[in-house]
Amino acid sequence: QQQVKQSPQSLIVQKGGISIINCAYENTAFDYFPWYQQFPGKGPALLIAIRPDVSEKKEGRFTISFNKSAKQFSLHIMDSQPGDSATYFCAAVLFSGGYNKLIFGAGTRLAVHP
Amino acid sequence: NAGVTQTPKFRILKIGQSMTLQCTQDMNHNYMYWYRQDPGMGLKLIYYSVGAGITDKGEVPNGYNVSRSTTEDFPLRLELAAPSQTSVYFCASSYQGTEGYTFGSGTRLTVV
Repeated sequence: QQQVKQSPQSLIVQKGGISIINCAYENTAFDYFPWYQQFPGKGPALLIAIRPDVSEKKEGRFTISFNKSAKQFSLHIMDSQPGDSATYFCAAVLFSGGYNKLIFGAGTRLAVHP
Repeated sequence: NAGVTQTPKFRILKIGQSMTLQCTQDMNHNYMYWYRQDPGMGLKLIYYSVGAGITDKGEVPNGYNVSRSTTEDFPLRLELAAPSQTSVYFCASSYQGTEGYTFGSGTRLTVV
């Protein structure tokens, strides 16, 4: 019930295309949904995040769509660029045992071809 | 501002050896975490701390120990290294455990 399921595992997109990564969760107690971007040899870095009372959040070419009733959320990368090639993790924050915990999806390896 | 600093970056251990992975942050964050990252498995929480002197187990704590004597430092100890502990280890910190986790650049550990 604390899992966050992420798909696809890998994704290949042509430059200028739209990259879409999907995540689903079961626990309705999750109250914050960040996305992290990780380049090879680096730690994950916060990319964009959304709270469940908002259906969409956009920052530049990156948009999170959130469907609370379906317990799903997705990351859309518009006009994908080779520099976007990285691993993307969705995550969810759970307040449990008196503390906040961050639960990660398994990750999606994105390759944007020129 | 250095953020979260992890040392070493790479290490090879023999089965049964012990070692400490170091993590320090200079952002005065209360929360600190240790994750391990295995291929295709995302990041699994090993241990976390919500302040100096307070630590608790995450999803995969077996074979590891931690301490938090200061706000800045959160070392991870492997007592008897096993091949199953071959992984990339990330330390992270955050102010209140919600937004904006800051991750270190990782330690790649191989146990042979």
